[in-house]
Amino acid sequence: GAVVSQHPSRVICKSGTSVKIECRSLDFQATTMFWYRQFPKQSLMLMATSNEGSKATYEQGVEKDKFLINHASLTLSTLTVTSAHPEDSSFYICSAKQGGGGYTFGSGTRLTVV
Amino acid sequence: DAKTTQPTSMDCAEGRAANLPCNHSTISGNEYVYWYRQIHSQGPQYIIHGLKNNETNEMASLIITEDRKSSTLILPHATLRDTAVYYCIVTQREYGNKLVFGAGTILRVKS
Repeated sequence: GAVVSQHPSRVICKSGTSVKIECRSLDFQATTMFWYRQFPKQSLMLMATSNEGSKATYEQGVEKDKFLINHASLTLSTLTVTSAHPEDSSFYICSAKQGGGGYTFGSGTRLTVV
Repeated sequence: DAKTTQPTSMDCAEGRAANLPCNHSTISGNEYVYWYRQIHSQGPQYIIHGLKNNETNEMASLIITEDRKSSTLILPHATLRDTAVYYCIVTQREYGNKLVFGAGTILRVKS
């Protein structure tokens, strides 16, 4: 079945630095990828939708200049958390969609900002 | 996208069937019902989806009422490893549409 690889699985960074998270579709081309954030004991919150070769569409309340999304190819999307602060500490999860197919999720990235 | 309503939590005895209900009374004709589950600190795992007919795969069965306003996910023989948060989502299965997660149901399988 479809596999989505997300890297890194865990990252600790200092406040004020930037962190990049990668999401790759391993055996299919993902025309659309989604980025979610999940705080402890809460559900997944959709942050943005990225389409290959075009700008991402951000959900209301998500700062596009803080959470930079790049979807330069059909198999790779990246999320960069810029100038990270402790309140950005969260579990970030990507999802990839195959054209008319289903949605496959990555295993998530635990970000801790110290 | 149509919204869904699920119970906050449910318990199930190991080896018994787990029946998880979901209400989606405002579902429109071209919206599918998807079920995912999330085990602690992992990404969501696809379980099953359907439009109007009942569906079955190796993991579960999905029963959708005739008016499509509700559905039930059935895990036929629950095990301790099925303890997870189960999400029922309705969405249009077309290019680029997004999955919006609700609160889901916490299923606890007990020995």
